[in-house]
Amino acid sequence: KAGVTQTPRYLIKTRGQQVTLSCSPISGHRSVSWYQQTPGQGLQFLFEYFSETQRNKGNFPGRFSGRQFSNSRSEMNVSTLELGDSALYLCASSLTPTGLGANVLTFGAGSRLTVL
Amino acid sequence: AQRVTQPEKLLSVFKGAPVELKCNYSYSGSPELFWYVQYSRQRLQLLLRHISRESIKGFTADLNKGETSFHLKKPFAQEEDSAMYYCALSGYGGSQGNLIFGKGTKLSVKP
Repeated sequence: KAGVTQTPRYLIKTRGQQVTLSCSPISGHRSVSWYQQTPGQGLQFLFEYFSETQRNKGNFPGRFSGRQFSNSRSEMNVSTLELGDSALYLCASSLTPTGLGANVLTFGAGSRLTVL
Repeated sequence: AQRVTQPEKLLSVFKGAPVELKCNYSYSGSPELFWYVQYSRQRLQLLLRHISRESIKGFTADLNKGETSFHLKKPFAQEEDSAMYYCALSGYGGSQGNLIFGKGTKLSVKP
């Protein structure tokens, strides 16, 4: 079956712009999590969604937002981009947010954002 | 506070040598621990989880609750083991999310 699909794979923006990233989870997976990956900080948790509801949110400013649709697809948005937002944004899906399968995450290839 | 510490940013070994990637955690209760791996130009993927008690690609990891550690070991490293390895801990959710990652250790296996 198809894996986690993230689009776009690469994008370049300038400071002050906004960006929307998309994630399609594995079919049947209803939980979607987003992470920011940078060389210095590693993987930092952004949000987690299940059944169109945000269950958890990381310590990121309000410029970072997300949502999940009824088909489990998810989007995240970053407004007023800053240079420090340059990173690889990873989406991961799992069957459910709780229970034994909850933390067996399947990751997408990521969206690499460069802010100039 | 829940925390995962991987003390080594980079670990370099020669092919055929034993390798141990260290992971220490801080958690109240019974932890669930994982190792994820990211090979060059590939996606981050689950390597193993402690409840499975299995060996994947020759790697094993034992949960030591007394030392709060979950070190990843392999007796004979191969060049294809070169990758970024992340230790992860199931969390309580909230601002850390359900899965808390360490900062990772880059393993380099030299020929």
